[in-house]
Amino acid sequence: KAGVTQTPRYLIKTRGQQVTLSCSPISGHRSVSWYQQTPGQGLQFLFEYFSETQRNKGNFPGRFSGRQFSNSRSEMNVSTLELGDSALYLCASSFTPSGSGADTQYFGPGTRLTVL
Amino acid sequence: GDSVTQMEGPVTLSEEACLTINCTYTATGYPSLFWYVQYPGEGLQLLLKATKADDKGSNKGFEATYRKETTSFHLEKGSVQVSDSAVYFCALHGGSQGNLIFGKGTKLSVKP
Repeated sequence: KAGVTQTPRYLIKTRGQQVTLSCSPISGHRSVSWYQQTPGQGLQFLFEYFSETQRNKGNFPGRFSGRQFSNSRSEMNVSTLELGDSALYLCASSFTPSGSGADTQYFGPGTRLTVL
Repeated sequence: GDSVTQMEGPVTLSEEACLTINCTYTATGYPSLFWYVQYPGEGLQLLLKATKADDKGSNKGFEATYRKETTSFHLEKGSVQVSDSAVYFCALHGGSQGNLIFGKGTKLSVKP
């Protein structure tokens, strides 16, 4: 089975621009979660989608948004980029909603976003 | 709220040395506990997990036991290899919020 794929792997943007990142979950998985990883803050939860509905959201400003399509692929969008948005953005998929606890989340390789 | 605390790194060991990375947690209810590993330039890989008290997760020679009485989930390996060099993250899934909560990560370097 193919793993979680994320595109693009690397991205360079300038302040004020917007960016869209894509995540394709493992086949059959319907839950997709997004995390931001930075050296200072570590791994922080952004949001989770299940069956095209946002189930949970972390403590991030409204500039961060996402959506999920009927084939479970997900995109996240960051508008009006700031220097502090430079990070590795990781997507994870699972079969059941992540609120089910014991179900494992499988991570993609991430998208490295650099904001200049 | 729920949180995970793991020992600060970096940790540098010689090949075949014993490894312990401490992890303690604070959570309401009965969380599931995980160890993930991140190799340079890659995403997170699940190393092992435990879903209830006294469960032992194990994989690739690594082990961790879910200790409810001490709210701990320490990662251990009897003999590390150079290929184990990576960053290790302890995480919990509390269920109430529906997302993983991670520790800060511990960087392990193993020298030949």
